[in-house]
Amino acid sequence: GAVVSQHPSRVICKSGTSVKIECRSLDFQATTMFWYRQFPKKSLMLMATSNEGSKATYEQGVEKDKFLINHASLTLSTLTVTSAHPEDSSFYICSASYRDSYNSPLHFGNGTRLTVT
Amino acid sequence: QKEVEQNSGPLSVPEGAIASLNCTYSDRGSQSFFWYRQYSGKSPELIMFIYSNGDKEDGRFTAQLNKASQYVSLLIRDSQPSDSATYLCAVRGFQKLVFGTGTRLLVSP
Repeated sequence: GAVVSQHPSRVICKSGTSVKIECRSLDFQATTMFWYRQFPKKSLMLMATSNEGSKATYEQGVEKDKFLINHASLTLSTLTVTSAHPEDSSFYICSASYRDSYNSPLHFGNGTRLTVT
Repeated sequence: QKEVEQNSGPLSVPEGAIASLNCTYSDRGSQSFFWYRQYSGKSPELIMFIYSNGDKEDGRFTAQLNKASQYVSLLIRDSQPSDSATYLCAVRGFQKLVFGTGTRLLVSP
């Protein structure tokens, strides 16, 4: 159980275009999902917390107008990278907890490798 | 001081040996502790979690927690080459989950 699906797994786009990444909880409902970003050989950095039915909470330094998050249902959150630039190239990973509790582990999607040319 | 600290490694052990991975954290109010394994180019996968002081065993893995020392560790017995990966320690208080930078483990045949 606690499967998180992320799509697409890999995307290459041209500078200036927008890219949408989907994150779905397949066998549970997630009122909260988390979006992480990981550069090569670096740790995961939390970008934002996606809250179902309300605005996302962004971490300091993350541009909310550039990384649009929508959590329209209990099983789907989307991250849209708007006007992507080469420096946005990274590994984006979503995660969710089976239960909304501090002691509930996060389960991760398979990640999306974004390359902006 | 970083919130969650890990030695980046690499930690090299021979096949069959015990690998010991360590993690310290700064927030004394932290409630839950997780170990994730991440293969190169893949997303993290949960190995173990621990909430109470002491040891927790699951197969070849043992997590150890000492809240007084703000220290959590992961032991891998009978290490296999397939265990070669980066191991991420994650700590959660009442809010977000904070990850360490990970320790790279290399198990040689």
